Parts: sequence; structure tokens; C-alpha cells
Amino acid sequence: DTGVSQNPRHKITKRGQNVTFRCDPISEHNRLYWYRQTLGQGPEFLTYFQNEAQLEKSRLLSDRFSAERPKGSFSTLEIQRTEQGDSAMYLCASSLVGGPETQYFGPGTRLLVL
Amino acid sequence: GENVEQHPSTLSVQEGDSAVIKCTYSDSASNYFPWYKQELGKGPQLIIDIRSNVGEKKDQRIAVTLNKTAKHFSLHITETQPEDSAVYFCAACLNTNAGKSTFGDGTTLTVKP
Repeated sequence: DTGVSQNPRHKITKRGQNVTFRCDPISEHNRLYWYRQTLGQGPEFLTYFQNEAQLEKSRLLSDRFSAERPKGSFSTLEIQRTEQGDSAMYLCASSLVGGPETQYFGPGTRLLVL
Repeated sequence: GENVEQHPSTLSVQEGDSAVIKCTYSDSASNYFPWYKQELGKGPQLIIDIRSNVGEKKDQRIAVTLNKTAKHFSLHITETQPEDSAVYFCAACLNTNAGKSTFGDGTTLTVKP
């Protein structure tokens, strides 16, 4: 399967704990995006990378959130000191600069903070 | 920033009928408009997209129209089938250099057999 993959698919944690999610984009794609989706709403942009450079961060991305893409391939999204309001689906997408703008989404990681 | 509004939020049609979902956007600089289908427990999947230099695009039973002047675009599904039942999202994007997409809040389409 050459699509976008995300791990884990589900995560349940207690308030105050740290969590980390991983995204593996389509192999030749140089752009990688993180979105957050809550029930009944569309995905909301969090941040994106071109290769290893983080080019934009949304105001939604508080100081407790950090994303990395150290080698320009996979990416991690870490949430520190989780809060109940962080409960959501975290989606990753990738695209190819210079090719079609199409963003291909992974299956998401569903986070529940108790 | 960009704001995308999508209507209706829910749509129920009989199998074989057509379904139309409409979106408006606020930023006249947006020039790429994808539509996604999201099934339960899955990420959004692109079903069709349109760029601002064309007014209409069709792919089998699915078509999208774009009115740049009015800043709205629509998804048309003809001959609906039960497997078309899902949540559909529109999105608006600036050109590739800007990267991110702004999504509507989705339309839950139910096709009754």
C-alpha cells in the first residue's frame, strides 16, 4: 500500500499525559500537512512541512503542540499535557510540489482524552 | 483568512435521484477547489477537483461547477447509489505555495434504496 499511513489509529490517554502520533506520507511527496477534525466539522489546518522545513503553523497550534519532520520523510505530532479539548481526529495529508496540488489523506488518529 | 461555507448540512435522496451540494468561499485569491468524501472511521478521499481557470469538470456521475465571480462552487452527483452515502467536504486553497486547505463543515448525504 503506497498511501498515507498514520499510527496509532486510536489513542486513549488521561488528562495531563503526553502523546505522540506518527505520519508516513506517500514516498515521493515533499509536502506534509497536519489537520484536526472534531465531530461534525471539517478538518482544520494545523501545520505543514515542505521537506523538513515547517513553513506555517495555525493559531490552533498552541505551545503544547509540536510537530517535526526531521528527515523530510515521516512526521510526528506531539501533544504535551493533554486536555479534554484535545480530543479529536488528527489527520495527516501529503502532496507533491510541482505536481498536482491534491492532498492525499491518511486514515487519521483518533485521540480521546479522559 | 479564507472562510468556506457549505450547504446543506444534511441531504437525503432516493436512489437514482441527483444530489447537489453548494459551497461559497471568501478569498478571491483561492484558485483550487477539491471535494472529498469521508466514510465513517476513514480519512477524507478526493473525489473531484477544479481549478479556477475552468468553469466545470465532470467525472462519470460526479461533476463540479465553479462561479468565480460569485465565489461559489457546487458538487453534483447524478444517479445516486446507496454507496454514495457519506460525508462530503468542499475545500478552497490558494496556489501550491500556500499549501493549506480551508474546509467546509461537511454535508451528510444519505441515499435511500
